[in-house]
Amino acid sequence: RKEVEQDPGPFNVPEGATVAFNCTYSNSASQSFFWYRQDCRKEPKLLMSVYSSGNEDGRFTAQLNRASQYISLLIRDSKLSDSATYLCVVSPTDSWGKLQFGAGTQVVVTP
Amino acid sequence: DAGVTQSPTHLIKTRGQQVTLRCSPKSGHDTVSWYQQALGQGPQFIFQYYEEEERQRGNFPDRFSGHQFPNYSSELNVNALLLGDSALYLCASSISGRSRNEQFFGPGTRLTVL
Repeated sequence: RKEVEQDPGPFNVPEGATVAFNCTYSNSASQSFFWYRQDCRKEPKLLMSVYSSGNEDGRFTAQLNRASQYISLLIRDSKLSDSATYLCVVSPTDSWGKLQFGAGTQVVVTP
Repeated sequence: DAGVTQSPTHLIKTRGQQVTLRCSPKSGHDTVSWYQQALGQGPQFIFQYYEEEERQRGNFPDRFSGHQFPNYSSELNVNALLLGDSALYLCASSISGRSRNEQFFGPGTRLTVL
């Protein structure tokens, strides 16, 4: 079983619509959680950290469910520029060490 | 404020050769991690360096080795290259002791082994 699992998609989303997807993780000792965004053939870029109480950053909302070991990301009012692969990331420690990545969920926003 | 930089951007080698990749962390960052990303996969952790020592290592063979210099920059060395080593190699920097393990990535080095 993979440590972090994601639906690979693609999620085809009309511009202006809302899209949501999640990932599951296997290590219950995971401490930190993140969503990264990766454009084709580019490096991953930190989109947002995910906090236990859930958090929002503009059009993006992240939720964490520790009991069920899943993390979700919701994108409202999708823009063409939101087309990318979204990587779910967990860390077994809060302050250092490896990040464990899912294989990514591809989102394609269409006009 | 310069971000994470890596060199070279692209590299082509043949099986059995050795390669060295370089990384300079963001200003103020003291920790460097290396990842390998194969096509269609998420990045896989190779190792992390802090205070010039390897602090943690992923499931990679000893052919993968690294170094961190006093200025926090780092090198990744891969010996006896295999076809399967073809991948995007990413360097990430962070600040040790911060409340969360946020890591920031460089543009990567795309290695092709023929």
